[in-house]
Amino acid sequence: GDSVTQMEGPVTLSEEAFLTINCTYTATGYPSLFWYVQYPGEGLQLLLKATKADDKGSNKGFEATYRKETTSFHLEKGSVQVSDSAVYFCALTEGGKLIFGQGTELSVKP
Amino acid sequence: GAVVSQHPSWVICKSGTSVKIECRSLDFQATTMFWYRQFPKQSLMLMATSNEGSKATYEQGVEKDKFLINHASLTLSTLTVTSAHPEDSSFYICSAKGTGTNEQFFGPGTRLTVL
Repeated sequence: GDSVTQMEGPVTLSEEAFLTINCTYTATGYPSLFWYVQYPGEGLQLLLKATKADDKGSNKGFEATYRKETTSFHLEKGSVQVSDSAVYFCALTEGGKLIFGQGTELSVKP
Repeated sequence: GAVVSQHPSWVICKSGTSVKIECRSLDFQATTMFWYRQFPKQSLMLMATSNEGSKATYEQGVEKDKFLINHASLTLSTLTVTSAHPEDSSFYICSAKGTGTNEQFFGPGTRLTVL
């Protein structure tokens, strides 16, 4: 079945460092791809999405490009802030259901 | 907008008892609600999908008699864990989706510990 694999955390960075969180997927069709973020004590929030190959989703300085040839949707940010500390989930949807990766915890130190 | 709440945020119960978790959409009508289970350091696993006024659709391997889901109104869905056992201890998360959108809005989760 469809699946999502993320790089394992925790990832610890200094403020203003460059962030990459890898995400690859396996799917039989052409899924939409998502990144969700979960801040401490809160629910998951949609961070960005892409619905077809070569689409780039972006929000709050984060971006990810739907790469069909490498089945990837890596999350990047050029300069992280302490407030970006959270757990990040990559996900795909097919048939109306969301399938999540295991989540990557990001900790940004001042 | 698009806020989803869960109650309680955490619960501890004795083995053999039943526990009810509520999921509410506070500012929109949720035609579809989803229940997920999350183990530590693992991803969210979809347990079931419920549409308002209909029986829930359970994912393969999820015991429908153990995890009772009711979606009686457009703003409320409940998950009841019946005859809970320690292996049911987990983090339960709901999400809700309104009409005209595929985006799911997530609640903050409920931590269940069964002693």
